[in-house]
Amino acid sequence: GQQVMQIPQYQHVQEGEDFTTYCNSSTTLSNIQWYKQRPGGHPVFLIQLVKSGEVKKQKRLTFQFGEAKKNSSLHITATQTTDVGTYFCAGSGANSKLTFGKGITLSVRP
Amino acid sequence: NAGVTQTPKFQVLKTGQSMTLQCAQDMNHNSMYWYRQDPGMGLRLIYYSASEGTTDKGEVPNGYNVSRLNKREFSLRLESAAPSQTSVYFCASSRDRDSYEQYFGPGTRLTVT
Repeated sequence: GQQVMQIPQYQHVQEGEDFTTYCNSSTTLSNIQWYKQRPGGHPVFLIQLVKSGEVKKQKRLTFQFGEAKKNSSLHITATQTTDVGTYFCAGSGANSKLTFGKGITLSVRP
Repeated sequence: NAGVTQTPKFQVLKTGQSMTLQCAQDMNHNSMYWYRQDPGMGLRLIYYSASEGTTDKGEVPNGYNVSRLNKREFSLRLESAAPSQTSVYFCASSRDRDSYEQYFGPGTRLTVT
């Protein structure tokens, strides 16, 4: 079945550093979504990418969908303590359910 | 709008007890989902309901049953709780299946002793 992989599961950065994480799928995706879960909270939708090579920005966050639609990246410029949390990608393919990756937990040292 | 609501927020059960987790959404969404979240395992789909009147198994359905009571409500039942079902349970809804963003409830933290 479809698998969506996020490695590593944890990353620690110094406040002000940039951070990039990747999401890889075993199959071609029709769309990919990113969610953020703050500690003790619930996942909150951030963005959806649909087109090959698509790039979207939200303030300091940049999301990209790969040309082959099998991978995606999230880049955070100049991390802040408010960026702490777990970031999940989720992808769906033709006739397949949305599948979540295991997430990457980001900690930021002030 | 309250979005997605879940009750209860916390629950402790003894092995073998049963309970029902309630979920309701007020966004007129067609699709609803139940996930469990365990450390290091991400979000795993238990059951989903693509539309009112339909339910389907997800990745980890064993030990659970669901009911789509109406368009707003989707409940999850544990008939005979086991310690392996200790987890955080999230309900979510979306306009339709798969291609639309999911809105999550605040979660239920369940401990089975």
